[in-house]
Amino acid sequence: DIQMTQSPSSLSASVGERVTISCRASQTINFFLNWYQQQPGKTPKLLIYGASNLQSGVPSRFSGSGSGTDFTLTISSLQPEDSATYYCQQSFSALTFGGGTRVEI
Amino acid sequence: EVQLAQSGAEVKKPGESLKISCKGSGYTFTHYWIGWVRQMPGKGLEWMGIISPADSDIRYSPSFQGQVTISADKSINTAYLQWSSLKASDTAMYYCARRDYYDAGSKFDYWGHGTLVTVSS
Repeated sequence: DIQMTQSPSSLSASVGERVTISCRASQTINFFLNWYQQQPGKTPKLLIYGASNLQSGVPSRFSGSGSGTDFTLTISSLQPEDSATYYCQQSFSALTFGGGTRVEI
Repeated sequence: EVQLAQSGAEVKKPGESLKISCKGSGYTFTHYWIGWVRQMPGKGLEWMGIISPADSDIRYSPSFQGQVTISADKSINTAYLQWSSLKASDTAMYYCARRDYYDAGSKFDYWGHGTLVTVSS
């Protein structure tokens, strides 16, 4: 099984700050990496697919990069509504999720 | 509008059986696989398995193989997740999600609202 490891597990940042979240795969997954946002008490929402493609309707302050085993989700200017837990997911083999990163404002 | 409507919350006792559902609408149900995701209280997302409603081809996560059964009835656009004997550790929110493809990868682009399952004596 491919294991997905996210770091940090949580972070605190201020409105307007740039935030980066990392996700590392236990083996190469090319660019088959998705990012989801789960706001407190809500359903997960797809943000980024294919490592760097913005899902329709997602604000442009969200971006993704990486390939192979190392990936990054960046929020360019943190907004109050971005307080959530973010998960990476690989789709190279099965569909495993990372452990999540909680972002607090 | 694509929607995945999940069945309501359940409270069960250990040892009981349960089948929860996920009904798709607003798209051709047989064209997309449906996945199931577990979220235990205060924990992260865990992929359980996925089914093709077109032919009921199923892939289970090794962690859930033999613990649950995934099925689908394409005549009523519904996928199911069932347990034959619940345990307290099955207490969780269960989400269904539609799998869409891009290049050779896939993504969960639409999600149900979740079904909360509580198992307690």
